[in-house]
Amino acid sequence: EIVLTQSPGTLSLSPGERATLSCRASQSVSSSSSLAWYQQKPGQAPRLLIYGASSRATGIPDRFSGSGSGTDFTLTISRLEPEDFAVYYCQHYGSSPSFGQGTKLEIK
Amino acid sequence: QVQLQESGPGLVKPSETLSLTCSISGVSISSFYWSWIRQPPGKGLEWIGYVHYSGITNYNPSLKSRVTMSVDTSKSQFSLKLSSVTAADTAVYYCARGNGYNHYWGQGILVTVSS
Repeated sequence: EIVLTQSPGTLSLSPGERATLSCRASQSVSSSSSLAWYQQKPGQAPRLLIYGASSRATGIPDRFSGSGSGTDFTLTISRLEPEDFAVYYCQHYGSSPSFGQGTKLEIK
Repeated sequence: QVQLQESGPGLVKPSETLSLTCSISGVSISSFYWSWIRQPPGKGLEWIGYVHYSGITNYNPSLKSRVTMSVDTSKSQFSLKLSSVTAADTAVYYCARGNGYNHYWGQGILVTVSS
């Protein structure tokens, strides 16, 4: 089973700033880059942002971007909007899917 | 428009079996794999497993001995059974589409394990 470790645990930034969230895998993710990112707000189901490490899901603004391969992946939000403050999870979806523990993005 | 809706008891006694159903609309249940994911209060997401109408299943190894998933194509529903529950199984349970990344999710249902 691949263990995903997200950092930082909490990120405090202001609207308009750039956010960089990290997800590190305990072993290399498959060559198909089976890594996704989700956003979750209180009381809501997670929302898919990125799949295949770098492909944006339908309807996701282009300020969200994903990158990385192997064991190191990054979610970048280029200019934070007020609605972007939430918890973000990475997910490996190989033969035994798993989620990271989450990064809380809070308003500074 | 794809929609998923979880249903089932919100309270289950310890040692009993948790049973949930997910009803789908807007898509054929035979066309995709279907997943269950849970989230204990205040904690992160845990993948439980996925099922295909053909009978193919894949479960989280840590839960495998207690989990059963199935699909009822006539009702466009799929289900989760988790046996021998304890307080540690208290969580919001989500159903979702897919066996990889999950684009569509239900709203979630809180299941509390308590006597």
